[in-house]
Amino acid sequence: GAGVSQSPSNKVTEKGKDVELRCDPISGHTALYWYRQSLGQGLEFLIYFQGNSAPDKSGLPSDRFSAERTGGSVSTLTIQRTQQEDSAVYLCASSLVLGTAYGYTFGSGTRLTVV
Amino acid sequence: SQKIEQNSEALNIQEGKTATLTCNYTNYSPAYLQWYRQDPGRGPVFLLLIRENEKEKRKERLKVTFDTTLKQSLFHITASQPADSATYLCALGKAGANNLFFGTGTRLTVIP
Repeated sequence: GAGVSQSPSNKVTEKGKDVELRCDPISGHTALYWYRQSLGQGLEFLIYFQGNSAPDKSGLPSDRFSAERTGGSVSTLTIQRTQQEDSAVYLCASSLVLGTAYGYTFGSGTRLTVV
Repeated sequence: SQKIEQNSEALNIQEGKTATLTCNYTNYSPAYLQWYRQDPGRGPVFLLLIRENEKEKRKERLKVTFDTTLKQSLFHITASQPADSATYLCALGKAGANNLFFGTGTRLTVIP
């Protein structure tokens, strides 16, 4: 697509429920990144994908968080047993190649509220 | 661990003036430094990238400097306009690293 698309744009969920956040990157972009932005905080890096592979999961806040990417395209970030501290805006970005020498294209994010 | 500080949470300037935003970092040696603009409810938008061996980069009314000795980048918007009002984020990346680290941003308001 023309840009990075994220869905849903807003999600309100009850504490303890599971949620899935979706990211559709720019076609042809091999690298995909997930960040989290809490109110008044900077962007917190969560995980990156090179193709379908995510070799480093150390940025995920807890084992309740998981992510996958299929077909070198769409990625899903899953949060199990959501907690109130998971409330944040989850941003997805993609870039032509993996690394920091190129600008990232971000989606508009999913605002997650855990009540 | 690395630390990225942007000069202030908020900066107000008069239309037509030059806005200068600061990004300082410690415990890090970035090869690349990027600046992004973020509007409310939107994701960050890439503006400029500067490499460690570059002193200055320009794009239209934007100018970025990168001083690896001072561990600082300055981001200038000349002839500022109310439409420039947004939050500006700096992001750092090492050569060969896989992801960028972002600062918390500076919210710029250009007053007509």
